[in-house]
Amino acid sequence: AQSVTQLGSHVSVSEGALVLLRCNYSSSVPPYLFWYVQYPNQGLQLLLKYTSAATLVKGINGFEAEFKKSETSFHLTKPSAHMSDAAEYFCANQAGTALIFGKGTTLSVSS
Amino acid sequence: NAGVTQTPKFQVLKTGQSMTLQCAQDMNHEYMSWYRQDPGMGLRLIHYSVGAGITDQGEVPNGYNVSRSTTEDFPLRLLSAAPSQTSVYFCASSYSRTGLRGTEAFFGQGTRLTVV
Repeated sequence: AQSVTQLGSHVSVSEGALVLLRCNYSSSVPPYLFWYVQYPNQGLQLLLKYTSAATLVKGINGFEAEFKKSETSFHLTKPSAHMSDAAEYFCANQAGTALIFGKGTTLSVSS
Repeated sequence: NAGVTQTPKFQVLKTGQSMTLQCAQDMNHEYMSWYRQDPGMGLRLIHYSVGAGITDQGEVPNGYNVSRSTTEDFPLRLLSAAPSQTSVYFCASSYSRTGLRGTEAFFGQGTRLTVV
């Protein structure tokens, strides 16, 4: 069975600090992994995706993620947090005809 | 370019009432799906469709019906609303049913439903 686990339901960082949001997956087939961001009262927006072309994936707004098969991980990072990064972030794995989502991580950024 | 449009944005229902959440997309996407979002639960798949006339159940289908008579529209029907269906509902669409893997899902803005 496919599953996605996001470690830490809430992460707090200071503005300018490194952002690290953790995602681990379980998949019986090669995974297609995504990170989505949700700003308050809005829908989900794609940050980046891994589709086996490259293990280090760059996305929008300065985010990137590295696929590590040996660790079954797809952690999201950003070198320097900005106040506008405060949002909820979802990791997802595309399994067959469905996107399987993690439970989400809320990122708070303080000045 | 509207993308995925959901109506209504907000709705309050009484227990036992029925209603239909509307979802329309103008991108000619074959694949459409409905999710519900609850605090601490992430998004869970209710129903999905890989093309007009084809629908299937997701993880949490009970209490919901769908149909797909056109490529553009994918309404979600609550048959007899229950407080447990209080949630935020998202509709999403993707480009291709056969080449689905690796394709981006586009989401609507959501419908916030409260059942009292």
